Amino acid sequence: NAGVTQTPKFRILKIGQSMTLQCTQDMNHNYMYWYRQDPGMGLKLIYYSVGAGITDKGEVPNGYNVSRSTTEDFPLRLELAAPSQTSVYFCASSRRSTGSNSPLHFGNGTRLTVT
Amino acid sequence: EDQVTQSPEALRLQEGESSSLNCSYTVSGLRGLFWYRQDPGKGPEFLFTLYSAGEEKEKERLKATLTKKESFLHITAPKPEDSATYLCAVQGNTGANSKLTFGKGITLSVRP
Repeated sequence: NAGVTQTPKFRILKIGQSMTLQCTQDMNHNYMYWYRQDPGMGLKLIYYSVGAGITDKGEVPNGYNVSRSTTEDFPLRLELAAPSQTSVYFCASSRRSTGSNSPLHFGNGTRLTVT
Repeated sequence: EDQVTQSPEALRLQEGESSSLNCSYTVSGLRGLFWYRQDPGKGPEFLFTLYSAGEEKEKERLKATLTKKESFLHITAPKPEDSATYLCAVQGNTGANSKLTFGKGITLSVRP
């Protein structure tokens, strides 16, 4: 089982460029999440989805968009990259809502630099 | 607002030197407290979930405990392969899809 797969692993963007971070999971999990991790900070939730066709904002959604057309895929879109979006991005999934003894399974991250 | 504070920020141990990592939290009704391990360049990996004060869970050299205000991750006779960043997160009881609040993590280095 591959678990949660994120691509690309690394990316450098110029200010104002756009890109999509890809995330796919093969565990048939309903819940999927996007987090960002900045140095010395805790993981912050950007967006999450409770199933195909359903998405909702997390703690820091500004500058990002998501879609969930299938159970497996949950891409994160950056439309106009800004230096403040330099971070490591993690995608995660869980079988049910996290509080139901359903831990998060994380991918290995995408390290994004915006210059 | 839920808050998680982990201490110390970094901890250096000699192989075999037992110690504890602290996670203090404030939450509006605890639904669960989670410990994750994160290796450099990797995503966090789930270790434990604790639900109520007094609960304990063990896995190899790790034991997690929970009180009403804090959780401890006890490491007994650590080995160099235990070196990693340990993350604590809480989920409050504020709705069906209430989110996790993560601490900043504790970076553990174990010297051989």
